[in-house]
Amino acid sequence: KQEVTQIPAALSVPEGENLVLNCSFTDSAIYNLQWFRQDPGKGLTSLLLIQSSQREQTSGRLNASLDKSSGRSTLYIAASQPGDSATYLCAGLPSGTYKYIFGTGTRLKVLA
Amino acid sequence: NAGVTQTPKFRVLKTGQSMTLLCAQDMNHEYMYWYRQDPGMGLRLIHYSVGEGTTAKGEVPDGYNVSRLKKQNFLLGLESAAPSQTSVYFCAIWTSRGGDFSTEQFFGPGTRLTVL
Repeated sequence: KQEVTQIPAALSVPEGENLVLNCSFTDSAIYNLQWFRQDPGKGLTSLLLIQSSQREQTSGRLNASLDKSSGRSTLYIAASQPGDSATYLCAGLPSGTYKYIFGTGTRLKVLA
Repeated sequence: NAGVTQTPKFRVLKTGQSMTLLCAQDMNHEYMYWYRQDPGMGLRLIHYSVGEGTTAKGEVPDGYNVSRLKKQNFLLGLESAAPSQTSVYFCAIWTSRGGDFSTEQFFGPGTRLTVL
């Protein structure tokens, strides 16, 4: 059974730090990978999608990469801000399926 | 996401009552999903649909039924609610273009359900 691990589970950092969040899959055959942000009591907002033909994506201060050989993805947040405080989830689409699988998330708190 | 709406936003049920949650989309996406989110357990797939008139079981389907009579709507039913079904329910949509699955998922705002 495909499982997803996100490390760390929680992180508290001072404003301005550069951060790396990790996501790994037990089966490396991942077609797409998507990173989401979830604020308390809210739904999931898509941040970045790494498509099947890509290895990384960038949006503003966010950069996500996917190493398909190992089934690992990282989300890099540059110059973190208090507004970045949220839970970050990764979701992968195993090859040959219609069902994304989700990690349990990294809870990030950026202190002013 | 404005393209995915969920009704209702909140609901409190007593054990044994029934209810239906509605997910509606205006993006013409083929694939629709119902997830539940519980503390410490992440998102778990309940049922999904790959097109109008089709449904399939996910990871935790027991106690739920679904229907997709119209492409835009995906209904999740609880026939006899139990306290274990207290959760936040999310609908998600997704599409492929010409067999290419490299498109984003979009999520609805969620329904917070409490079963007493």
